[in-house]
Amino acid sequence: KQEVTQIPAALSVPEGENLVLNCSFTDSAIYNLQWFRQDPGKGLTSLLLIQSSQREQTSGRLNASLDKSSGRSTLYIAASQPGDSATYLCAALTQGGSEKLVFGKGMKLTVNP
Amino acid sequence: EAQVTQNPRYLITVTGKKLTVTCSQNMNHEYMSWYRQDPGLGLRQIYYSMNVEVTDKGDVPEGYKVSRKEKRNFPLILESPSPNQTSLYFCASSPLEARLRETQYFGPGTRLLVL
Repeated sequence: KQEVTQIPAALSVPEGENLVLNCSFTDSAIYNLQWFRQDPGKGLTSLLLIQSSQREQTSGRLNASLDKSSGRSTLYIAASQPGDSATYLCAALTQGGSEKLVFGKGMKLTVNP
Repeated sequence: EAQVTQNPRYLITVTGKKLTVTCSQNMNHEYMSWYRQDPGLGLRQIYYSMNVEVTDKGDVPEGYKVSRKEKRNFPLILESPSPNQTSLYFCASSPLEARLRETQYFGPGTRLLVL
């Protein structure tokens, strides 16, 4: 059974820092690995999706990498801003059966001005 | 605008009073899914549907029902809500043929409190 872990559960940093958010998964049989952002009272916003055959994806200040063999993905946020404060979720679209999206519990990020 | 809508957004009810949370998408997606999000447990799938009249259980289906009579709508039904169903609920959709390559689109969430 796929398990997705995000550590730490919360992170507070000063503005301007470059950040690395970690995600690990136990079953490497995945179609893709996705990163989402969740703001309080709002739904999930897709940030990046990395196919299983890819190593990384970039969008603006965000870069996500995937190492299937070690069961790890990282989300890199460059030059963090207070507007980046949110909860970040990673999710693995896992092969087999219902091909479901298995989520980590999220990491709450606070960027202080 | 492409979107997934949920109604109501907030709901307070009492134990045993049947309720329905509606979900609608305007993107002609075949695949739709319901999740619940709880502190310390993350998002867990309740039910999903591959197309009209095709539904299946996710990880936590107990106490819930769904139906898929139309492509755009996927209501979540709680026949006899209990306090342990207090949660934040999300509906999501995606095109079936691209489901393995593209992300799901999520609704804004419905916060349910069962007293």
